[in-house]
Amino acid sequence: AQKITQTQPGMFVQEKEAVTLDCTYDTSDPSYGLFWYKQPSSGEMIFLIYQGSYDQQNATEGRYSLNFQKARKSANLVISASQLGDSAMYFCAMRELGGGSEKLVFGKGTKLTVNP
Amino acid sequence: GAVVSQHPSWVICKSGTSVKIECRSLDFQATTMFWYRQFPKQSLMLMATSNEGSKATYEQGVEKDKFLINHASLTLSTLTVTSAHPEDSSFYICSARTGLAGTTDTQYFGPGTRLTVL
Repeated sequence: AQKITQTQPGMFVQEKEAVTLDCTYDTSDPSYGLFWYKQPSSGEMIFLIYQGSYDQQNATEGRYSLNFQKARKSANLVISASQLGDSAMYFCAMRELGGGSEKLVFGKGTKLTVNP
Repeated sequence: GAVVSQHPSWVICKSGTSVKIECRSLDFQATTMFWYRQFPKQSLMLMATSNEGSKATYEQGVEKDKFLINHASLTLSTLTVTSAHPEDSSFYICSARTGLAGTTDTQYFGPGTRLTVL
C-alpha cells in the first residue's frame, strides 16, 4: 500500500492566485514528520515546509502553509499568491519516527504550472 | 545553511566503465546521507542509507556490488556505479540529514547528477 498519495498529476493556477496541492498519507506510527519539497526543471530538491505529527498548529513558511488534518491523514500544501517561478514538481514525503527509521517516503508528485 | 553539493552535475560514460559521484555537506556535519535514483517524470526511489564509518544499508532490489557507497567522513559520501550499462542511466540525487531534533531534522538534497551511459 502506498504510504504517500498525491492524486493530482498536474495542476494549473493563475499567477497571484492561491493553489492547494493534495497529499494523504498512511501510517500506524503515532510519531511522524511530513515534508514538502519543490523540484524545478533543474532537478534540485528544495525543502519547503515541515509538519510534525504532534504539532498543534499548521506549519507556515512565507507563502507556503500546510493544511494538516490529522484525523483525515492529509497534509495539503497551500501556496498563496502564486508566482511564475513556482512552476515545478512538488513532492510530499513522510518519515516515520517511532521505529527510528531515517527513510523519507515520497509521493509521486504533482506538476504545478503557473500561468501568467 | 544546510547546503549539499554534488559532483559532477552530469556525466556521460561508455558502457562497462565505472563512475564516481560525490556528495558533500558544505556547512554541517551529516552522520547520515542518502542516495536516491529518479527516472524521468517519476518520484525519487531510495537506493541506500549511508552512515559515516559504517557499511551502507541498501534497499531491497538494489545491487550493493554494483552501487558502491562509501561514507568516509561526516561531510562526504560517494556513490560508484560499477560497470555501468545503459539501464543505469538516470538522475542520482543525494541528501544529507542534519541529525537535529524537531523541525531542523530535515533531509537537504544535492543538485543531482545526471548519468548517461552510452
